[in-house]
Amino acid sequence: KAGVTQTPRYLIKTRGQQVTLSCSPISGHRSVSWYQQTPGQGLQFLFEYFSETQRNKGNFPGRFSGRQFSNSRSEMNVSTLELGDSALYLCASSFAEPFLSPLHFGNGTRLTVT
Amino acid sequence: GNSVTQMEGPVTLSEEAFLTINCTYTATGYPSLFWYVQYPGEGLQLLLKATKADDKGSNKGFEATYRKETTSFHLEKGSVQVSDSAVYFCALSEEDQGGSEKLVFGKGTKLTVNP
Repeated sequence: KAGVTQTPRYLIKTRGQQVTLSCSPISGHRSVSWYQQTPGQGLQFLFEYFSETQRNKGNFPGRFSGRQFSNSRSEMNVSTLELGDSALYLCASSFAEPFLSPLHFGNGTRLTVT
Repeated sequence: GNSVTQMEGPVTLSEEAFLTINCTYTATGYPSLFWYVQYPGEGLQLLLKATKADDKGSNKGFEATYRKETTSFHLEKGSVQVSDSAVYFCALSEEDQGGSEKLVFGKGTKLTVNP
């Protein structure tokens, strides 16, 4: 069974640009969550989607957005990139409610903003 | 808000040594508690979890007990191996008013095991 797939694996952008990251959950999983990982702030929750609806959002500016498609695949978008957005972005999926079944994480997308 | 505090790393041990990584939490209600492990270049993997007080989670020789009285969930392993070298994250589940849950993570503890 394929795991959570995140693309691309690495990305380099310049300040002011925008970026879209993609996440394909494990087949059958309907919940997709996104986390940002940085050395200074650690792992921080961005948002969670379930059946195409955003159910929860972390404390990030409106430049961070996401969506989920009918096949449960998810994308997150960051507009007007800042240097501080450089991070590892992790996607996680679960079968139903996030904690009734385990979260499965992808290997992440490493975003570098120059 | 809810928070997780875990011991600062890095932790360096010799193979077969005993491991303890301390984790304490602050939370309203009764969250579930988790330990995740991250190997170099990879995402996080669930190592073990506990959903209520006095529960013991265990996996691959690792154990942690949900201690409500001390708000702790310390990770232990009796005999570490080189392959256990990784970063370990303690986390709790936080539920919002809409019923959705998210994970609140500690800062992580890097473990290096030398042969």
